[in-house]
Amino acid sequence: ETGVTQSPTHLIKTRGQQVTLRCSSQSGHNTVSWYQQALGQGPQFIFQYYREEENGRGNFPPRFSGLQFPNYSSELNVNALELDDSALYLCASSLTSGSWNFGPGTRLLVL
Amino acid sequence: ILNVEQSPQSLHVQEGDSTNFTCSFPSSNFYALHWYRWETAKSPEALFVMTLNGDEKKKGRISATLNTKEGYSYLYIKGSQPEDSATYLCACGAGTYKYIFGTGTRLKVLA
Repeated sequence: ETGVTQSPTHLIKTRGQQVTLRCSSQSGHNTVSWYQQALGQGPQFIFQYYREEENGRGNFPPRFSGLQFPNYSSELNVNALELDDSALYLCASSLTSGSWNFGPGTRLLVL
Repeated sequence: ILNVEQSPQSLHVQEGDSTNFTCSFPSSNFYALHWYRWETAKSPEALFVMTLNGDEKKKGRISATLNTKEGYSYLYIKGSQPEDSATYLCACGAGTYKYIFGTGTRLKVLA
């Protein structure tokens, strides 16, 4: 059974650019959530997908968008990057309402 | 809006000492509370999922209690070992999908 994987592990972008982060859920998990963790903060909920539909969203602007594919893998897209978007982005997968399995994260630096 | 607080922010203990941390959350609309252990450069690891008032869970030397009426959970580590050094995160859910994380307690166990 493979765990949650994320790619890339590190990324550097400049302001105004767009970025796509990817997450492969744990096998059989149909629910995925994305979190942003800024330095010194706890993870902040961005949104959740369940069977390819967004079913919850945190306090993030529309330039943060996502997709979930039929194999339950997921993407997080961020448009018009800002300096404050620099953070660790975590995805986590779950089956029903059990505990969440987290990926190792993608560290994004916006210059 | 849920506000989840953890204390202390960080602490150092000697090997063999027992220790505990607190996770506080609003008691209204409580759904579940998760504890995670996060070692540097690794993914957060699920420790406990707690849902019922008075729940007590144990995993080896680590245990947790839950009081949903007063809005807190304690995590205990008995006989701390250097390998217990990590950040301990709690996350409180007000529904099946949106979990609010605390900022974590960073534990360092000194040999």
